[in-house]
Amino acid sequence: DQQVKQNSPSLSVQEGRISILNCDYTNSMFDYFLWYKKYPAEGPTFLISISSIKDKNEDGRFTVFLNKSAKHLSLHIVPSQPGDSAVYFCAASVGSNYKLTFGKGTLLTVNP
Amino acid sequence: NAGVTQTPKFRILKIGQSMTLQCTQDMNHNYMYWYRQDPGMGLKLIYYSVGAGITDKGEVPNGYNVSRSTTEDFPLRLELAAPSQTSVYFCASSLDGMNTEAFFGQGTRLTVV
Repeated sequence: DQQVKQNSPSLSVQEGRISILNCDYTNSMFDYFLWYKKYPAEGPTFLISISSIKDKNEDGRFTVFLNKSAKHLSLHIVPSQPGDSAVYFCAASVGSNYKLTFGKGTLLTVNP
Repeated sequence: NAGVTQTPKFRILKIGQSMTLQCTQDMNHNYMYWYRQDPGMGLKLIYYSVGAGITDKGEVPNGYNVSRSTTEDFPLRLELAAPSQTSVYFCASSLDGMNTEAFFGQGTRLTVV
């Protein structure tokens, strides 16, 4: 039973355009959400996070939106750059902050 | 500053063999974790530690053991390797739990044949 779902295995966008990566969750107890980025043959790196008390968090080109009623969050990258090409994982936690549930990831390809 | 270092990067084991995956961090983080990532799947937590001498099971602990004798080191032991343990293993650390930024090692690709 997947509690965190990234239904798009891959996404391709043109450089300079917006990339929107989506994530749905089923556990209404999740109260903290994070996005990690992973390049091939490397470990994941932290990108951005959001608490359930917020509906938006921005960090430079990256913005995460949270819609609690829909149990949906999205990561917007504007403008997209070729260096953003990577697998993006959505992750969520419940209260205790050491057990993250990860989605399967979405492979983003940004074409020059 | 090396961050989180995992060794080895690659390993092939025969069924029934055992091995230890090494993980060390130089950031003085209290929290350390072991994850595995199977092909096309997200990361799953195997074991975690909130400080030296304290470890606990994650989501998929069967077939593994850990120890945390120092703040820096968090080795993962595989006893009696099975093909189901073929995966990529990631060690991570964080200052204050996974709701804060966690730093991951480069991973160990393990194949059990």
